[in-house]
Amino acid sequence: ETGVTQSPTHLIKTRGQQVTLRCSSQSGHNTVSWYQQALGQGPQFIFQYYREEENGRGNFPPRFSGLQFPNYSSELNVNALELDDSALYLCASSLAGVNTGELFFGEGSRLTVL
Amino acid sequence: AQSVTQLGSHVSVSEGALVLLRCNYSSSVPPYLFWYVQYPNQGLQLLLKYTSAATLVKGINGFEAEFKKSETSFHLTKPSAHMSDAAEYFCAVSPSGTYKYIFGTGTRLKVLA
Repeated sequence: ETGVTQSPTHLIKTRGQQVTLRCSSQSGHNTVSWYQQALGQGPQFIFQYYREEENGRGNFPPRFSGLQFPNYSSELNVNALELDDSALYLCASSLAGVNTGELFFGEGSRLTVL
Repeated sequence: AQSVTQLGSHVSVSEGALVLLRCNYSSSVPPYLFWYVQYPNQGLQLLLKYTSAATLVKGINGFEAEFKKSETSFHLTKPSAHMSDAAEYFCAVSPSGTYKYIFGTGTRLKVLA
């Protein structure tokens, strides 16, 4: 069973730039969620994708956007980066219809905005 | 609105001592509750979950938690701490297993030799 994998693991950008983070879901999972974890904080829900459609969104501005592909992998895009976007971005996969709510997390992509 | 409060951002225990990490939640609907552990530079790993079945939930690595509706609590315990338990622990609530997890701010556990 292949777990959730994310890339890149670390990256540095400057303010105003754009970034794309990638996630491959666990084998058999069809739903992907993205979370932002700032230093010293708990993860905060950004959005979830199911069947290539956004299936719920947290309190994040539109410059945070995403995609899900037919193979269930996903991308998180952030435009016009701000210093406060520096964080660990976590991808989590799950299987819709299995009502246990359990999420399986990847190891994250650590973004530093200078 | 749902929320999670973890009392104590840092907890230190001696090796072999009882571990108690506190979590209180608020939820307008029956919640699903989770404890996750995060080791340095890693993602989150599920320790245990409550999904409206037994109120005492056993998880991995000897951890367990008890759902107490009257106290709106879901505290995490382990009878005897091990050095390898040093990590950050997050409590999370998901209203009836919906897509959105709400996490607490975490408790960093330090185990003293």
